[in-house]
Amino acid sequence: DAMVIQNPRYQVTQFGKPVTLSCSQTLNHNVMYWYQQKSSQAPKLLFHYYDKDFNNEADTPDNFQSRRPNTSFCFLDIRSPGLGDAAMYLCATSRGLARDEQYFGPGTRLTVT
Amino acid sequence: RKEVEQDPGPFNVPEGATVAFNCTYSNSASQSFFWYRQDCRKEPKLLMSVYSSGNEDGRFTAQLNRASQYISLLIRDSKLSDSATYLCVVKTTDSWGKLQFGAGTQVVVTP
Repeated sequence: DAMVIQNPRYQVTQFGKPVTLSCSQTLNHNVMYWYQQKSSQAPKLLFHYYDKDFNNEADTPDNFQSRRPNTSFCFLDIRSPGLGDAAMYLCATSRGLARDEQYFGPGTRLTVT
Repeated sequence: RKEVEQDPGPFNVPEGATVAFNCTYSNSASQSFFWYRQDCRKEPKLLMSVYSSGNEDGRFTAQLNRASQYISLLIRDSKLSDSATYLCVVKTTDSWGKLQFGAGTQVVVTP
């Protein structure tokens, strides 16, 4: 009965080699979010989709892109990973925006070698 | 200044004791408040929402003080399984209600 699923759970990539992280949800929520969380830090929002409407945070590097081909799936593409991009990447969903709770997936831990 | 600030801890708590900690927020227009729990290397999970009048969920009590712009979490009768990082989360009132996370307060319950 998993609600927000992320694959893979662990990803190792080489410096500069593109990588794609996947998120899917069975909640039929309108909004999907991608966060980056580094050790002992707060999750940092990268971007979110409200339906097909993409919203990028101002300080999200161009190296990070996202796709949402349908309601259930959302992808995070890192075009040229650097060592500083090693982190936990969390996908979250919510039904709507203002007052709705967000539900997190288990995360993908990215290592860059 | 960070939008949400928390004492990182760790708070070392004997099993069965009570622990309480606060979180301060800078945006006076914030409207929604939450406590999330995050276990080591796992995702954040919603522990409880925080209502204006304060609310309780079993051994957990949350309070909101709008005048001083802080929220608190109190854990009674601490269990070993309460060991985790507790994230304070605040939602702004702009059009889409972005979550602002604190960096978390670590609680370690010891036998």
